[in-house]
Amino acid sequence: DGGITQSPKYLFRKEGQNVTLSCEQNLNHDAMYWYRQDPGQGLRLIYYSQIVNDFQKGDIAEGYSVSREKKESFPLTVTSAQKNPTAFYLCASSIVFGPWEQYFGPGTRLTVT
Amino acid sequence: AQSVTQLGSHVSVSEGALVLLRCNYSSSVPPYLFWYVQYPNQGLQLLLKYTTGATLVKGINGFEAEFKKSETSFHLTKPSAHMSDAAEYFCAVSPPQGGSEKLVFGKGTKLTVNP
Repeated sequence: DGGITQSPKYLFRKEGQNVTLSCEQNLNHDAMYWYRQDPGQGLRLIYYSQIVNDFQKGDIAEGYSVSREKKESFPLTVTSAQKNPTAFYLCASSIVFGPWEQYFGPGTRLTVT
Repeated sequence: AQSVTQLGSHVSVSEGALVLLRCNYSSSVPPYLFWYVQYPNQGLQLLLKYTTGATLVKGINGFEAEFKKSETSFHLTKPSAHMSDAAEYFCAVSPPQGGSEKLVFGKGTKLTVNP
């Protein structure tokens, strides 16, 4: 079954700690994305990558970091520099050329206290 | 720059009634248009998309949307609401040129279906 997996589903951390969210896809997509979702704000793009070992900042990259060492994997680290990290995080993937629809994982809800 | 406006952050309908969720976009060229659905604490699922060709697009779960260039709209409809349609719906737009990173989402419309 092809798709995107995100783990864990729920994550709790203390303020000041870095935390890494996992995203894996077996759709053979070149492009992968991280979004942050807050109530009433829609989806905001954090980072995206269109090829291994390359990634670009999105609209709200401050306080986040990513890596893309394998085509299938695009982990997101929420650093202690992120002032308001509690949110729902969504990973997505797509082909690079074409109608550009994105396929989404189930999300990770991060709570930082 | 493209933008998407979804009119009404909350819409409430009775079971069996018409569902109409509004989406307007701004773009200098006719874009690609998408509707996604999100159930609580889940990811987004593609409902339907418009790229080129027929302006009335049918999607999953009985939903359809019509691209109206003159009105820069892509409203989502379903003739008869079901309780299982209760979810949040997102309209998105991307340019026909350029990369997938240019997909822009609206802020979402939460649909409530009353028995």
